[in-house]
Amino acid sequence: ETGVTQTPRHLVMGMTNKKSLKCEQHLGHNAMYWYKQSAKKPLELMFVYSLEERVENNSVPSRFSPECPNSSHLFLHLHTLQPEDSALYLCASSQSPPTGGDVDEQFFGPGTRLTVL
Amino acid sequence: EDKVVQSPLSLVVHEGDTVTLNCSYEVTNFRSLLWYKQEKKAPTFLFMLTSSGIEKKSGRLSSILDKKELFSILNITATQTGDSAVYLCAARFQGAQKLVFGQGTRLTINP
Repeated sequence: ETGVTQTPRHLVMGMTNKKSLKCEQHLGHNAMYWYKQSAKKPLELMFVYSLEERVENNSVPSRFSPECPNSSHLFLHLHTLQPEDSALYLCASSQSPPTGGDVDEQFFGPGTRLTVL
Repeated sequence: EDKVVQSPLSLVVHEGDTVTLNCSYEVTNFRSLLWYKQEKKAPTFLFMLTSSGIEKKSGRLSSILDKKELFSILNITATQTGDSAVYLCAARFQGAQKLVFGQGTRLTINP
């Protein structure tokens, strides 16, 4: 596979369920991102991992828990979600220069459409 | 607060028309501005602009940045139905890995 892949593509869950979203990038990048896209709202950055270390956490509720076991994989663990968490969750990756300078464009996966009942 | 605002939010035109999409930004220590096209799911990269006044061009699409007035435009000439999509603008500030996105412009091209 090439690029950035996400599974599952669609997920319906109840408020008491626990599920995980998976993202895998095949581009050799060293930074990965989770975004939330709700209807009629801008893309919202949730988490940034650089070299497998979390560098950004945009005040996301604790019911969302990210995990980055290596530079190619990123997970978003979900538990006790609310209906307002229903959205498209997009993963992206990019290459950060080793000197800590500016990053290039981000490459996005196809997203997981999450519905919380 | 860092902010990116796109206009219009929605635009419907006929095939063959030329459209201009706008993006204004207020970002601390601005570094670059990126345009993405989102058709169904994954946004796909179009342009990255870092220098003011230099047009970037790809086929019928072109974009330019004005760092003095803090805005960018995306032009699409001779539009086709395949250009129908949401166009996203995002700003990045120096030394940071995150992008601040605008709300997007939903462009519909009617045959």
